[in-house]
Parts: sequence; C-alpha cells; structure tokens
Amino acid sequence: DTAVSQTPKYLVTQMGNDKSIKCEQNLGHDTMYWYKQDSKKFLKIMFSYNNKELIINETVPNRFSPKSPDKAHLNLHINSLELGDSAVYFCASSQGRGRAYNEQFFGPGTRLTVL
Amino acid sequence: QKEVEQDPGPLSVPEGAIVSLNCTYSNSAFQYFMWYRQYSRKGPELLMYTYSSGNKEDGRFTAQVDKSSKYISLFIRDSQPSDSATYLCAMTNPNYGGATNKLIFGTGTLLAVQP
Repeated sequence: DTAVSQTPKYLVTQMGNDKSIKCEQNLGHDTMYWYKQDSKKFLKIMFSYNNKELIINETVPNRFSPKSPDKAHLNLHINSLELGDSAVYFCASSQGRGRAYNEQFFGPGTRLTVL
Repeated sequence: QKEVEQDPGPLSVPEGAIVSLNCTYSNSAFQYFMWYRQYSRKGPELLMYTYSSGNKEDGRFTAQVDKSSKYISLFIRDSQPSDSATYLCAMTNPNYGGATNKLIFGTGTLLAVQP
C-alpha cells in the first residue's frame, strides 16, 4: 500500500500552460506539505496544510496555489508555467501540529519539465 | 549563505568502508536534526533523527550532533552498494503553536559505494 502518492509522476508541458499535481496520503496524517527540489537536489518547503488550514506559505510566486479538499489530499495548481518551474515536486505528510517534532513521509515526486 | 551547508560530493568509497557525512548550520535555534536518504528518482526517507546534542546509533548508522560547533555527522559502518544514494541532512526549530515542522534541508551528498 502506497503511503503518500502523487500524480502524475512525470509532467512535460509548454511555457504558459496551467497544470495541476495531486497528492493523497493514506496514513491518517493531518498535516501535508509541498516541497520543490531543484536540479542541484536542494529541497525547499513551499506550503504546509494542517486539517485543510494553510499554516506555512513560503515566498512562492502567486502562480502556485495549493488546495486541500480534505486532510488526506493536497493538490498544487500552477498557472502560467515558466522555465524556472522545472523541478521535482514532492508531497509529504506528518501527524500532528504544535508538537516538537513529527516525522515527515515523502511521496515519490512529480518531475515537471517546462519547455 | 545558506542556513545549512552540506558538501554535495560525489563521495565514492569501496564496499566495507566507513563513511562520514557532515553538515554545518548557522541557526543556533535548531534543535531537531535528521538524516534522510534519497535513492535516485525516489522521495526522501527518514533514516535517523536526534534531538539536541549527542549520539544516536541504529545498526550500521550513527548520527552525531555537536550544537556548540553547529555541526552534525552521519557515520555509516561497513558500507554496502545498497547504501549508494543522496543523503540529505535536515533540521528544524520547534515553534509551539506556530508553523511547526518546517524542515530546512542541506543540499545533499551523493554517495557511491563501489562493490
């Protein structure tokens, strides 16, 4: 059973298009995250949701809009794609908020290539 | 200067060698320290985590934290070809009641264990 799943796994698109990435977790966690990993493997948090509430919103262009329909799902919509958006996007989840530390479980990633 | 610095490698060692991976950081508020392993084209998976200073051992892996020097290490004994992966250090400053679990990652060290 896949704990954190993402679709699609690969996404190749043209500049200016709008695309969405979906994430689902079956771990019963209440916090979900989006990370971006660039070509140098640097992994940086973009957003975090706890029980459908946005709790972390890093300095990310407005073209990126997360949406959490329920606590098991977190989607990422990207408008007007740019070349610099090419990266691997990881979804992650963890249990709890307001605790000292919670292990984050990562999905397999979505490799986005903007041409 | 990045908050967390990590030598990107690549680091190539023969099978059976002891591997030492390191990160330095600048934020003295960090209290939780993690090592994630990421195989090629996969999501990161948590390998070890430690709280504050000290050592933690798990099988062939030992994590060390020296908060006075702002330096953390991961040692792998009797390294195996299956250990070949990118190793990412991560750390966090617990912020009770706020946006917790914002992990700050190093850029990762690519390790290759040669049979």
